[in-house]
Amino acid sequence: QKEVEQNSGPLSVPEGAIASLNCTYSDRGSQSFFWYRQYSGKSPELIMFIYSNGDKEDGRFTAQLNKASQYVSLLIRDSQPSDSATYLCAAPNYGGSQGNLIFGKGTKLSVKP
Amino acid sequence: SAVISQKPSRDICQRGTSLTIQCQVDSQVTMMFWYRQQPGQSLTLIATANQGSEATYESGFVIDKFPISRPNLTFSTLTVSNMSPEDSSIYLCSVEEDGNQPQHFGDGTRLSIL
Repeated sequence: QKEVEQNSGPLSVPEGAIASLNCTYSDRGSQSFFWYRQYSGKSPELIMFIYSNGDKEDGRFTAQLNKASQYVSLLIRDSQPSDSATYLCAAPNYGGSQGNLIFGKGTKLSVKP
Repeated sequence: SAVISQKPSRDICQRGTSLTIQCQVDSQVTMMFWYRQQPGQSLTLIATANQGSEATYESGFVIDKFPISRPNLTFSTLTVSNMSPEDSSIYLCSVEEDGNQPQHFGDGTRLSIL
């Protein structure tokens, strides 16, 4: 059974700090990874995806992928209270469609003013 | 990205009844997916729905309990049959627009069974 593991948190950081969210996965064949943000009572919203080893930056968000270590992370710089949400890491469950995703349990982030 | 609309957004149902959830997309998509998110849990894939073929169900989910229709490239339905309190969840539709794009979710249907 392929797995995606996340620390459930909660992770608490002060406003303006860097929040670091981590995810490990069991399938060495996984080629793409996705980070979703889910506010309480809302559906998941895609915020980042990464296919290649290294870093990918988009505004205050940076995704980092290390395939050798089977590790993917999300850094949020200058954290804001509005970033408080649950962050879900996901990877394809099968080799084909990216739509068939397996999700981690999510890390709850709390940014304190 | 595609705009995904789900109906109803929420419902409260009686035990033993069935509810059909609709998912409408504003563009043609090959693959549509139905997920369940139980309270405090992450997302679990129920099935993959391709137009013109039977849905493919994940382990632990069966067609009798969760029948799915996919009559065209913009629409799908999921029925939750013979509901029990354990079926109280958020049900989410998602789409894959092509093989290289990450998927997006509809707003979900929040279902409570009394």
